[in-house]
Amino acid sequence: GAVVSQHPSRVICKSGTSVKIECRSLDFQATTMFWYRQFPKQSLMLMATSNEGSKATYEQGVEKDKFLINHASLTLSTLTVTSAHPEDSSFYICSARDSSGTGGLRKSPLHFGNGTRLTVT
Amino acid sequence: DAKTTQPPSMDCAEGRAANLPCNHSTISGNEYVYWYRQIHSQGPQYIIHGLKNNETNEMASLIITEDRKSSTLILPHATLRDTAVYYCIVRVATWGNDMRFGAGTRLTVKP
Repeated sequence: GAVVSQHPSRVICKSGTSVKIECRSLDFQATTMFWYRQFPKQSLMLMATSNEGSKATYEQGVEKDKFLINHASLTLSTLTVTSAHPEDSSFYICSARDSSGTGGLRKSPLHFGNGTRLTVT
Repeated sequence: DAKTTQPPSMDCAEGRAANLPCNHSTISGNEYVYWYRQIHSQGPQYIIHGLKNNETNEMASLIITEDRKSSTLILPHATLRDTAVYYCIVRVATWGNDMRFGAGTRLTVKP
């Protein structure tokens, strides 16, 4: 089945530094990937949609200059949290759908990575 | 997208069937019903989805009422590892569509 891999799974950084999170589709190509954030005891909230070869689109209230997204290939999207602060501490999760069309949209649900837990001290 | 309503929590005995309900009374004709689950500190896991007909796979069965206003996810023989938050999502199936998560149902499987 479709596998989405995230790296790192956990990261601790100091306030003011930047952190890059990678999201890879391991056995399929994805023209679109999605980035979510989840605070403790809350549900997942969509942050942005990452489009291969073009600019990401951000949800209302998400700062595009703070959360830099790069989708340089059909199998890799990165999220960089710039000048991180303690309030950015959260669980970041990416997702992707096999866009090759071999199974058709009907058979291509969204698959999620295992998340990256960011702690900013 | 149609809003879904799920009970906040449910318990199930290990080995028994877990039946998780979802109401989506405002669903439109081109919206699918998707089910995901999230085990603690992991990313959501896709379970099953359907449009009109009942669906079954190796993980679960999805029963959708004839009027499509509600559905039930069935885990036929729940195990302790099925303890998770289960999300019912109604969404149009397009290539660029994300999944929008509500509060879900916290299922606890008890020995």
